[in-house]
Amino acid sequence: GQNIDQPTEMTATEGAIVQINCTYQTSGFNGLFWYQQHAGEAPTFLSYNVLDGLEEKGRFSPFLSRSKGYSYLLLKELQMKDSASYLCAVIDSNYQLIWGAGTKLIIKP
Amino acid sequence: DTEVTQTPKHLVMGMTNKKSLKCEQHMGHRAMYWYKQKAKKPPELMFVYSYEKLSINESVPSRFSPECPNSSLLNLHLHALQPEDSALYLCASSLGQGDTDTQYFGPGTRLTVL
Repeated sequence: GQNIDQPTEMTATEGAIVQINCTYQTSGFNGLFWYQQHAGEAPTFLSYNVLDGLEEKGRFSPFLSRSKGYSYLLLKELQMKDSASYLCAVIDSNYQLIWGAGTKLIIKP
Repeated sequence: DTEVTQTPKHLVMGMTNKKSLKCEQHMGHRAMYWYKQKAKKPPELMFVYSYEKLSINESVPSRFSPECPNSSLLNLHLHALQPEDSALYLCASSLGQGDTDTQYFGPGTRLTVL
């Protein structure tokens, strides 16, 4: 079966750094997305990666290791507005988007 | 214009009502999607239209009926819904379907079925 695992919830402090992990087992791999979703709102696109490595892009940087079936999203200089759910999604060999359940990130002052 | 719009934002309906959700994009995207999302769950794919043709129907009950009048518009017709159908209904679009194009989401319609 297809499976994407993310921690259910994480808590971090304003100004700190947090890493949200995502592991996947899918039938094929054609890329991995990270989306941010505030409560009651639609998901918004953060990143898409298909190559290994860390992509530094502003405060939010995605990392991918295809051999390990692993990704993480690194969030730096956390702000209160970063409190949201972060969804990992993988495109499988049929080009279907498989979603993780999301990680709820709580930022405390 | 990188926006997907949805109307209405909120909808309350009884189990005998007929209503429609609307979605619109003007990004030239040729794939459009309907998702259902329950609280604390990821989006659940319902339908995909590619070049105005229904390409994926994820075994959705017939009380949900999608329609794609043209490449910019996507409707979801609702009839005889159940209380368990209450959820956030999200529309998304992407440049194409069956590839790795990013899906962009509309703000969603919060549906409550009484």
